Amino acid sequence: EIVLTQSPGTLSLSPGERATLSCRASQSVSSSYLAWYQQKPGQAPRLLIFAASRRATGIPDRFSGSRSETDFTLTISRLEPEDFAVYYCQQYGRSPPLYSFGQGTKLEIK
Amino acid sequence: QVQLQESGPGLVKPSGTLSLTCAVSGGSISSSDWWFWVRQPPGKGLEWIGEIFHSGNTNYNPSLKSRVTISVDKSKNQFSLNLISVTAADTAVYFCARVPYSSSLLDYYYAMDVWGQGTTVTVSS
Repeated sequence: EIVLTQSPGTLSLSPGERATLSCRASQSVSSSYLAWYQQKPGQAPRLLIFAASRRATGIPDRFSGSRSETDFTLTISRLEPEDFAVYYCQQYGRSPPLYSFGQGTKLEIK
Repeated sequence: QVQLQESGPGLVKPSGTLSLTCAVSGGSISSSDWWFWVRQPPGKGLEWIGEIFHSGNTNYNPSLKSRVTISVDKSKNQFSLNLISVTAADTAVYFCARVPYSSSLLDYYYAMDVWGQGTTVTVSS
């Protein structure tokens, strides 16, 4: 089973700053199989990034994803007020459970 | 644009069966996409429950496999979740979602691009 560990648990930043969120996999994950979601209170998650670095339809280009071996990063270049939310990474693997999520990073206004 | 809408009882008694349906609109459940159930206990993270293809092929989370069944009704363009022997630990918001096939990528997204709004299910007597 692949375990995804997100850090930090909470990130406090101000609008206009750059946010860097990390997701570390316990074993190798193909870049094709790593996604990032944003979730606001009372809402369903929204897909931001799939295949580690591909933006989903309608996602602003201030959101970007990257990978370095088993470490995946979501970067928000300049925070807008609407970006403060919880962010989850998710992976797909060939062995059960096929899909799993990280525990989330809460991005809060400083 | 594909839209998903969950429906079902908001309250289930312990040891009972949780049954939810996800109606698909704006597209066909018989497409090349996979259809998912995901849940989120209060104040916690997301948990994948399982997935189904229109052919009836399913995959389940091993932690729930003994209690869960996902089925598809192509005539109604919907899919369903049944979870038996529920306890308070099954109290959660239940979401249905889609993992699409991309004809441009010639592969699946392996990510959920469309979600229902979610429905809260409480297990309590």
